Amino acid sequence: EIVLTQSPGTLSLSPGERATLSCWASQSVAGSYLAWYQQKPGQAPRLLIYGASSRATGIPDRFSGSGSGTDFTLTISRLEPEDFAVYYCQQYGTSPQTFGQGTKVEIK
Amino acid sequence: EVQLVQSGAEVKKPGESLKISCKGSGYSFTNYWIGWVRQMPGKGLEWMGIIYPGDSDTRYSPSFQGLVTISADKSISTAYLQWSSLKASDTAMYYCARPGPGAIDSWGQGTLVTVSS
Repeated sequence: EIVLTQSPGTLSLSPGERATLSCWASQSVAGSYLAWYQQKPGQAPRLLIYGASSRATGIPDRFSGSGSGTDFTLTISRLEPEDFAVYYCQQYGTSPQTFGQGTKVEIK
Repeated sequence: EVQLVQSGAEVKKPGESLKISCKGSGYSFTNYWIGWVRQMPGKGLEWMGIIYPGDSDTRYSPSFQGLVTISADKSISTAYLQWSSLKASDTAMYYCARPGPGAIDSWGQGTLVTVSS
């Protein structure tokens, strides 16, 4: 199965700053079928990005995704207070689907 | 509106069996895969497996193969996750999730399973 490794484990930033989260795959992700999710405490995850770079419905444009092959990035251009959460990448191009271990974005 | 509504929290003893459910509405249940995701306390998301209710085609993550059973009853638009003999290490939040298609665009609210003697 494809192993996804996210970096860093924790990102300490202030509101208004730019966040850059990385996701590396152990082998090429078929069709760039890579998604990013946001999870807040006590809530189910929420889809942010699919197909590596397409924003899901209702997701603000400060969230953007890029990458292909084995290297992917989620960028939050200017952090809002509600963006402090845990972010997961997921590949859904090869069975079994797999998730990264998560990056926590915390307030500095 | 797509909705996935899961059954309530469970407290069980080691060795007991359990079946939790996820009822889909607002879409054609038989035409979309539906999966299960585990989240152990304080940990990340783990993909368990997925079923296509239209023909019951089921695929398991190797980590969960033989440990759980995923099924679906398309007549009542409900998917299930079951255990025949729970362990303390099965304590977790379990989410059902609908790829829409591809990435997961709909999630259930989660079912907390606690296994303790």
